[in-house]
Amino acid sequence: SQQGEEDPQALSIQEGENATMNCSYKTSINNLQWYRQNSGRGLVHLILIRSNEREKHSGRLRVTLDTSKKSSSLLITASRAADTASYFCATAFTGNQFYFGTGTSLTVIP
Amino acid sequence: GAVVSQHPSRVICKSGTSVKIECRSLDFQATTMFWYRQFPKKSLMLMATSNEGSKATYEQGVEKDKFLINHASLTLSTLTVTSAHPEDSSFYICSAREPMRGRQETQYFGPGTRLLVL
Repeated sequence: SQQGEEDPQALSIQEGENATMNCSYKTSINNLQWYRQNSGRGLVHLILIRSNEREKHSGRLRVTLDTSKKSSSLLITASRAADTASYFCATAFTGNQFYFGTGTSLTVIP
Repeated sequence: GAVVSQHPSRVICKSGTSVKIECRSLDFQATTMFWYRQFPKKSLMLMATSNEGSKATYEQGVEKDKFLINHASLTLSTLTVTSAHPEDSSFYICSAREPMRGRQETQYFGPGTRLLVL
């Protein structure tokens, strides 16, 4: 399976704290993307990082990519209750298919 | 960003019936669309790649005759779950690939269709 793995599977933090999620994958990739999914809803694209990039920022989001370790991390700073959702990494290969990680369920407690 | 719609958003059917789910790219042409299924509290599993004007490419373990995919136009792909059974109950999500702009490649996801087979 090309599916990646994420950890932790579940994360519960207080509002205002930072949340860090990690994603590991198995083979070489073109890019890696992070998505957010509210319960029972579709996916919202958060950020894309290409294989030749090491770090990227978007608002309160910071993504890193380490291709030597085949891993990525998503940091959400100053978390808010509205950040409560599941977060998935998706890796894109030469065929342009996406394979999703197992996901991290984030709960931000007001 | 680009918009992808799915219809219906929710469907309940009896075991043995067939269910068709539509995926539309509303403001761009999509030569390639993807179909995923997601079980409760689980990740998305890629089922197949839908190519306009040609046969779909299915992932290992996905039954072609069970999940029929038709990509008849550049804005529409359909997934038909044939002779649905309770184990087919799931959340089905499609995505459409917007043609490359520069070096970036983006997929846009539909809102999903929840299928419940009784």
